[in-house]
Amino acid sequence: DAGVTQSPTHLIKTRGQQVTLRCSPKSGHDTVSWYQQALGQGPQFIFQYYEEEERQRGNFPDRFSGHQFPNYSSELNVNALLLGDSALYLCASSRTGAAEAFFGQGTRLTVV
Amino acid sequence: ELKVEQNPLFLSMQEGKNYTIYCNYSTTSDRLYWYRQDPGKSLESLFVLLSNGAVKQEGRLMASLDTKARLSTLHITAAVHDLSATYFCAVDRDKIIFGKGTRLHILP
Repeated sequence: DAGVTQSPTHLIKTRGQQVTLRCSPKSGHDTVSWYQQALGQGPQFIFQYYEEEERQRGNFPDRFSGHQFPNYSSELNVNALLLGDSALYLCASSRTGAAEAFFGQGTRLTVV
Repeated sequence: ELKVEQNPLFLSMQEGKNYTIYCNYSTTSDRLYWYRQDPGKSLESLFVLLSNGAVKQEGRLMASLDTKARLSTLHITAAVHDLSATYFCAVDRDKIIFGKGTRLHILP
């Protein structure tokens, strides 16, 4: 089992551009959540996807959007990038009703 | 709004000493998690606590949960340098809410 995998691992974008981050959940998991972790801070919940729909959303602007595919993989899209969007983006997967969520290795996004 | 507070935020301690990290949360929750994060790395799950009075131990780390007090503790016994990391507690209420983390530095 490969666990939760994210791609790419590192990314540099220019302010105003758009970015797509990808996540493949752990085998058997159907729920994917995305988090933003700024340097020196705790992860902040962005949103959660289940059955291809956004189930929960944190306090992030509409520039942040996502998608879940039939195979449960997920994408996080960020439009009109700001310098403040520079962070580690973490994906976590879980199985509905299970106690534990597993995190991927993250994507380090740098906006210049 | 669910809030999770950890203290201390920074901790520098000598090898061989014992210490406790505290995690308070503001509303009832189904689950409480403890994670470890090394610099530049992702989150490693340490403990999942599901019920009042739950206690789990792994090596030199022991976590406990008091749901009535809305308090969890992570106790470190006879610390070793390899335990240096940032430790997060997180509470699950449909979505996982993290504390700010405790940056632990263990001096050899």
